[in-house]
Amino acid sequence: SQQGEEDPQALSIQEGENATMNCSYKTSINNLQWYRQNSGRGLVHLILIRSNEREKHSGRLRVTLDTSKKSSSLLITASRAADTASYFCATAPANAGGTSYGKLTFGQGTILTVHP
Amino acid sequence: DGGITQSPKYLFRKEGQNVTLSCEQNLNHDAMYWYRQDPGQGLRLIYYSQIVNDFQKGDIAEGYSVSREKKESFPLTVTSAQKNPTAFYLCASSPANRLNTEAFFGQGTRLTVV
Repeated sequence: SQQGEEDPQALSIQEGENATMNCSYKTSINNLQWYRQNSGRGLVHLILIRSNEREKHSGRLRVTLDTSKKSSSLLITASRAADTASYFCATAPANAGGTSYGKLTFGQGTILTVHP
Repeated sequence: DGGITQSPKYLFRKEGQNVTLSCEQNLNHDAMYWYRQDPGQGLRLIYYSQIVNDFQKGDIAEGYSVSREKKESFPLTVTSAQKNPTAFYLCASSPANRLNTEAFFGQGTRLTVV
């Protein structure tokens, strides 16, 4: 079953604008990760935020996590045409042990289009 | 270069045939995973393995089989029992038994039933 629900499903913006994508999940997590996928390619890891963290930055990326609301957001600032891709959130379960380490559950993704 | 290699990139299967998708990694990761992605959808876990000679079913294992005879390799067989196999298949790996670790993905195999 899908753990994460992402919103919006698609986002279209102009170069230079900021893009915000949201992810909600249902069960307790150890961490939440964001991945990027260019069309027809594999996923590339962007950023990981632990359950005891509230905000994390990496370059033009800013991720927030609200465990009380079971939600996260990914902000891409000053977007570029090269940021055009699908973005997925993925959650790692809390209390994972043994064979559950690293077992991620993915959302359905947000398709971001950045127009030059 | 270190990474995960999936082959072939495109694969065509006739009805009733079994096909095997290859996944090889040289990252020295213990854990490996197979995901299925349908158009406009997220990834769903098929099988995963935390150690050689051991693997567990994911959320959609029916119609698939795997083996893990070597640390570097985790092939996926799509059997004739899988009724709707057309999809994009992604293999991933990560260090096992570690919290807060990312997954590394291959470039995927697109399987089409003809």
